[in-house]
Amino acid sequence: AQSVTQLGSHVSVSEGALVLLRCNYSSSVPPYLFWYVQYPNQGLQLLLKYTTGATLVKGINGFEAEFKKSETSFHLTKPSAHMSDAAEYFCAVSTGTASKLTFGTGTRLQVTL
Amino acid sequence: DSGVTQTPKHLITATGQRVTLRCSPRSGDLSVYWYQQSLDQGLQFLIQYYNGEERAKGNILERFSAQQFPDLHSELNLSSLELGDSALYFCASSVEREGGETQYFGPGTRLLVL
Repeated sequence: AQSVTQLGSHVSVSEGALVLLRCNYSSSVPPYLFWYVQYPNQGLQLLLKYTTGATLVKGINGFEAEFKKSETSFHLTKPSAHMSDAAEYFCAVSTGTASKLTFGTGTRLQVTL
Repeated sequence: DSGVTQTPKHLITATGQRVTLRCSPRSGDLSVYWYQQSLDQGLQFLIQYYNGEERAKGNILERFSAQQFPDLHSELNLSSLELGDSALYFCASSVEREGGETQYFGPGTRLLVL
């Protein structure tokens, strides 16, 4: 079985500051890892995903994440926050044989002036 | 726009009633997933269909059922509704049934049980 832990249900950053959203996973088999974003009253949009290959993954809107097997982590970063980044972010895991997504509890990102 | 459509957008009903939520996957996608998002349970996988066949089951109540039709659209049926079934129900689709495939989410159906 797989699971995801997102540290920090709320994160607040100033506009222009670094964004760091933390995600740790647990999986007995090689995981596939995803970050989704949910804007108010909308569905989930894929930001980026890791399947195999390069461990540093670049996504949309300037976000990137690094898969660190030794730390079982897949933290999401963005060098400079923008007001439009305010949303809820979900980390999720699936595996080769179980394609269902197991989500973390989400992190609400607030961006202040 | 993900290409996944869900109807209706909002649904208000009473306890004990039955409702049907509909999902049309992206063109060409064979897998359909249903997820429930609620304040207390978060985002939870309910069930997956692949090309008309049930592929995987998650935390889906016996009062809930789903099916995928030959044209690949899917319906989630919720019966004997309880207050706790109030939630946002998402449908997602992907090309294949294996892990690693991107799942594209619809806008959701917000269900309120009074």
